[in-house]
Amino acid sequence: EAGVAQSPRYKIIEKRQSVAFWCNPISGHATLYWYQQILGQGPKLLIQFQNNGVVDDSQLPKDRFSAERLKGVDSTLKIQPAKLEDSAVYLCASRANGRNIQYFGAGTRLSVL
Amino acid sequence: GESVGLHLPTLSVQEGDNSIINCAYSNSASDYFIWYKQESGKGPQFIIDIRSNMDKRQGQRVTVLLNKTVKHLSLQIAATQPGDSAVYFCAEKRTGGGADGLTFGKGTHLIIQP
Repeated sequence: EAGVAQSPRYKIIEKRQSVAFWCNPISGHATLYWYQQILGQGPKLLIQFQNNGVVDDSQLPKDRFSAERLKGVDSTLKIQPAKLEDSAVYLCASRANGRNIQYFGAGTRLSVL
Repeated sequence: GESVGLHLPTLSVQEGDNSIINCAYSNSASDYFIWYKQESGKGPQFIIDIRSNMDKRQGQRVTVLLNKTVKHLSLQIAATQPGDSAVYFCAEKRTGGGADGLTFGKGTHLIIQP
């Protein structure tokens, strides 16, 4: 069974530029999460989707971050414009209905210069 | 505020010894806890989980203990191997509602000495 796929693995941009990350969850997983992991810290939830609907985006900085999951499968997280403090690893996770375990992808490491 | 934290940032153990990683949580409403292992350059990997109606759960070489009285969680790794070197995170959530994102602690870096 394929795991959570994320791309790109690395991205380097300058501040004020835009960037997008892509995630394809485990097949059949209806729930998808985006987390931000700053160096030396644990992951922090940004947004949770159930199918193509947003369940929780209370910790998403909506002035610059946006996310979508239009067809309820893969998802895109965008930052526009990026700030230096956005440098982090962006992790995607998915979960099957009726289960608690979230499975994580390898993440996208973003460096904002 | 509500948080999940770890007591030690780094734990060094001899290969073959048992490791114990501790975690404290403050949200008494949390009813599900999970341990992840994260190796450098990789995403968190599931190790073991436990629901609040249990005190102990065992897996292969790992045991999780939950003490709800003092809001404490621990991960025990038996006969530690070099491949166990990683950062270990505990996380918690409250189930039963739609929003169920995990709240993570800062992690413990487990170092295995030869």
